[in-house]
Amino acid sequence: LAKTTQPISMDSYEGQEVNITCSHNNIATNDYITWYQQFPSQGPRFIIQGYKTKVTNEVASLFIPADRKSSTLSLPRVSLSDTAVYYCLVDGSSNTGKLIFGQGTTLQVKP
Amino acid sequence: DAGITQSPRHKVTETGTPVTLRCHQTENHRYMYWYRQDPGHGLRLIHYSYGVKDTDKGEVSDGYSVSRSKTEDFLLTLESATSSQTSVYFCAITGTPPDGYTFGSGTRLTVV
Repeated sequence: LAKTTQPISMDSYEGQEVNITCSHNNIATNDYITWYQQFPSQGPRFIIQGYKTKVTNEVASLFIPADRKSSTLSLPRVSLSDTAVYYCLVDGSSNTGKLIFGQGTTLQVKP
Repeated sequence: DAGITQSPRHKVTETGTPVTLRCHQTENHRYMYWYRQDPGHGLRLIHYSYGVKDTDKGEVSDGYSVSRSKTEDFLLTLESATSSQTSVYFCAITGTPPDGYTFGSGTRLTVV
């Protein structure tokens, strides 16, 4: 299973764009990159998933370079409610769906 | 989230007693998972299931057993609870990996 590395914590201010980068040097051909968000006392919530290039949804964008050894989650114009832990994971069908969570990145958005 | 419920939400039990946590889904998803979350360790996979009666161990399975007799229910049992099993337990489901997981709201278990 590919291992991911991401910053332990980040601070930002309301209205700013936040970019969280994750490295996954040993990503396999079948692996997708998936990001989850977790608020205190809640289960993680799926944010976005991608395989290559760029993916955008109503919540975030995910940028993946051609070598796929890293990815960047971009949160546009964050608000206080975006304060949470963000997890980057790699997931492929060959893993039987087992997701291995790292420590995640604790994002603190300040007013 | 709609489609997945965990019960109970909170439980306090004594050391040495058996405890069963239940995860129930209405999505007809094939895959179900049990995780525990502790400060400093993040989420760790305990057991998972890839179909009725098909289960396998995760990274921290010692002291836990699971059963899945029907698609919608995945039970996690602590045969003899210990204080080290005090944790928040999350159930998750997915239809076809690598589709995203849906997590339950969690069960906070305290073993005294």
